[in-house]
Amino acid sequence: SYALTQPLSVSVALGQTATITCAGYNIGGKNVHWYQQKPGQAPVLVIYRDTNRPSGIPERFSASNSGNTATLTISRAQGGDEADYYCQVWDGSTGWVVFGGGTNLTVL
Amino acid sequence: EVQLVESGGGLVQPGGSLRLSCAASGFSFSTYALHWVRQAPGKGLEWVSSISSGSSSIYYADSVKGRFTVSRDDAKNSLFLQMNSLRDDDTAVYYCARVDVWVELDCWGQGTLVTVSS
Repeated sequence: SYALTQPLSVSVALGQTATITCAGYNIGGKNVHWYQQKPGQAPVLVIYRDTNRPSGIPERFSASNSGNTATLTISRAQGGDEADYYCQVWDGSTGWVVFGGGTNLTVL
Repeated sequence: EVQLVESGGGLVQPGGSLRLSCAASGFSFSTYALHWVRQAPGKGLEWVSSISSGSSSIYYADSVKGRFTVSRDDAKNSLFLQMNSLRDDDTAVYYCARVDVWVELDCWGQGTLVTVSS
């Protein structure tokens, strides 16, 4: 079955740029979505279809997808960005939704 | 306002059953696919099941196939998850989520906690 791999944790200095990767075989051929989850809260969609931001999501959140890696980038990182981030795709061959293992972002 | 509200969680013994519900409001419920996603304590997100609009396509994760059954009642704007033969490793917060065009989960409920323990 299709698998997505994320780093367990990423740290970024306040005001700097954080990069979170999501690796999967030929992930560039799939639509990748990203979620932010803060402790005790439900996940929130922050990027859909590789590069698109839902309404209300700051422009500081951007993403790309090519080859075997999708990337979420958070510019000018703030304390409020500390959260777990998950990538997600749909595996058309099985009909399953697949999540990456999640990355915990710490803003120093 | 789009809203999803789960209910039905609780403490159940191994081998027992529970039925989760998800009440939807603020959107045209019958036209959307819906999913269940769970999160074990301290763990990541795990997709559980999906049901398309019209219930024509239903999928399950291998970990729950044969034990869980997803259904929907469009007249009542409600989604359900019947969970049988529950195991310790089914302990998790269960979320229902709405799915949009690109199979992104664009709206989530607050979750309901299921604890399987003797």
